[in-house]
Formats: sequence, C-alpha cells, structure tokens
Amino acid sequence: GESVGLHLPTLSVQEGDNSIINCAYSNSASDYFIWYKQESGKGPQFIIDIRSNMDKRQGQRVTVLLNKTVKHLSLQIAATQPGDSAVYFCAENIGAGNQFYFGTGTSLTVIP
Amino acid sequence: NAGVTQTPKFRILKIGQSMTLQCTQDMNHNYMYWYRQDPGMGLKLIYYSVGAGITDKGEVPNGYNVSRSTTEDFPLRLELAAPSQTSVYFCASSFEDRNYGYTFGSGTRLTVV
Repeated sequence: GESVGLHLPTLSVQEGDNSIINCAYSNSASDYFIWYKQESGKGPQFIIDIRSNMDKRQGQRVTVLLNKTVKHLSLQIAATQPGDSAVYFCAENIGAGNQFYFGTGTSLTVIP
Repeated sequence: NAGVTQTPKFRILKIGQSMTLQCTQDMNHNYMYWYRQDPGMGLKLIYYSVGAGITDKGEVPNGYNVSRSTTEDFPLRLELAAPSQTSVYFCASSFEDRNYGYTFGSGTRLTVV
C-alpha cells in the first residue's frame, strides 16, 4: 500500500505486505530528516534518519528514500506487522540548529 | 532512565482556569521543547529552551509561559485557559547535537470546556 501527501492520509495494508509512506517536505535547504512512529496514546519515537548527502538508508525492515529534486521522502516498511500500526511523521531540519519541523503524519493500519 | 516524564496524563479545565503541565527528563539533555498536537495536524512548537535559565518562543507561544530553573525540569503554564488550547501536549528533550532528534514524553491530553 502507498500514501501520498501530508493531509493525515490513512493507509491500510494486509499483514505481510510492504507499506510505503510518503512525505513532501517544505524547505529545500533542509539537510537532515527523521521518521517518527507514534503509537496510540504515546509520544513519537525515532525510527530512522537520513542526511541530504544520501539517497537511501536502510534499517531493520525499514528503508528511507530521499529525492531532493522534488523534496520528497518516503518510508518503506517490509513485511508489515500488526505492531506497525501507528501514525508516522517525517521531520526536517536545516543546518546545525536543533529545530525540527514536522509533517501532519500518515495513519497506518495493518489488517491481520 | 525514565526518559521524559510528563504529568498529568489527562486534564479537564474550565475556561479561564490556569494550570501547569510538568515535564522532567533524566538524560542530562540541555535542550527541551513543548509541542502541541491538534487532531489531524503535525506538531507545533510552543516554547523551547537551550539550557537552564534560557527560554525562547516557538511558532505558537500565545497563551503559554515557561520557565527553566534546572536542567531537568521544563514546566508549561497555561493562564486563562481557552477552548482553543484543547490539544495534546508533548514535551521533548535532546542534546545539542541534532542527531537522532528528540526524545518525547507520552503526552498530556488537555480539554478546556
């Protein structure tokens, strides 16, 4: 399954399928990006990050892709599990400062 | 390590009442932040602090005040609560280095009626 945009879209996928969550970031000067996972009733948690000198970064079952030309970021989750159900946010950062700007998030629901 | 601890978890306020949302962290982070999260929206920065005794406004500071007397604590004060302040509030902290972003608390759900 795939989502587009930052208007709190919802994405439903079958357990075991791959998920793709998209993010269109706002500032072409942003050079560091983080994906967060927010489970119901909890604060956001760090999943994976990527710097602007990279196009792709892989973690455990997750891959982040960065396309600076069109200011687009995506999070791919392989073999999606029920525990992956959550809201996923991208966050962008400019330069060495510590202020991040957050997208509106995508709600992922995994159907057993 | 408890991380970032917020209290209370839930609160209902009447219009015009005041309250303080508590936030404490035990990771020796210098940077601390307060965000609000409205339904279907991203996180909006209210105030932040880069160290004890130093605070700065974020995107949406009106109606709020903060103080930072110690490294560990960063309380958020609401004076004269309004329905527009109904939201979920998150406190976060980080080192000066932006790597790995922030550590968030579990949030305070506030309703103003």
